[in-house]
Amino acid sequence: QKEVEQDPGPLSVPEGAIVSLNCTYSNSAFQYFMWYRQYSRKGPELLMYTYSSGNKEDGRFTAQVDKSSKYISLFIRDSQPSDSATYLCAMIKSGNNRKLIWGLGTSLAVNP
Amino acid sequence: DAGVTQSPTHLIKTRGQHVTLRCSPISGHKSVSWYQQVLGQGPQFIFQYYEKEERGRGNFPDRFSARQFPNYSSELNVNALLLGDSALYLCASSHGGGISTDTQYFGPGTRLTVL
Repeated sequence: QKEVEQDPGPLSVPEGAIVSLNCTYSNSAFQYFMWYRQYSRKGPELLMYTYSSGNKEDGRFTAQVDKSSKYISLFIRDSQPSDSATYLCAMIKSGNNRKLIWGLGTSLAVNP
Repeated sequence: DAGVTQSPTHLIKTRGQHVTLRCSPISGHKSVSWYQQVLGQGPQFIFQYYEKEERGRGNFPDRFSARQFPNYSSELNVNALLLGDSALYLCASSHGGGISTDTQYFGPGTRLTVL
């Protein structure tokens, strides 16, 4: 079983829709949670960074962490065609090991 | 303010050859990490360096090696290339001063094709 599971999609939505992207994880040692956006043939770009449980909002983006369920989400409101990309969740465990553990990424297409 | 830069952007090699990929971190960042991303997959951790010392190593064979220089730039070397090494190689930089400041910022990647 992978440490981080993410449905690769693809997910296709109309412009203006609310998008929900999710990851689950198996190790309770994960403490830091990130969402990255990656356009085709580009490096990942950090969107949201949260520590432990709770919500964080930034513009049209909201990140949620539910540590009791080992489940994280990214919501995109009023989705735009420019949001079409692959969204990757990534996590870091507590302790000295700083390496990011990644999900597979979910491919999102927002159709005008 | 320059972000993470990587060179070259694209590279084509043949099996058995050697390759060196280069990365310059964001100014002020002391930590560099390398990732391999195969098409359709999430990145896989290869190495992390902090203050010129190896801090972490992923599950990659000894054909992969890296180093960090006094100016915090880094090189990733891959020997005896295999077809399966074809991937996007990503470099990420972070302050490295502690996990709360360890947000990693990625470069555009080097796309390596092994024929």
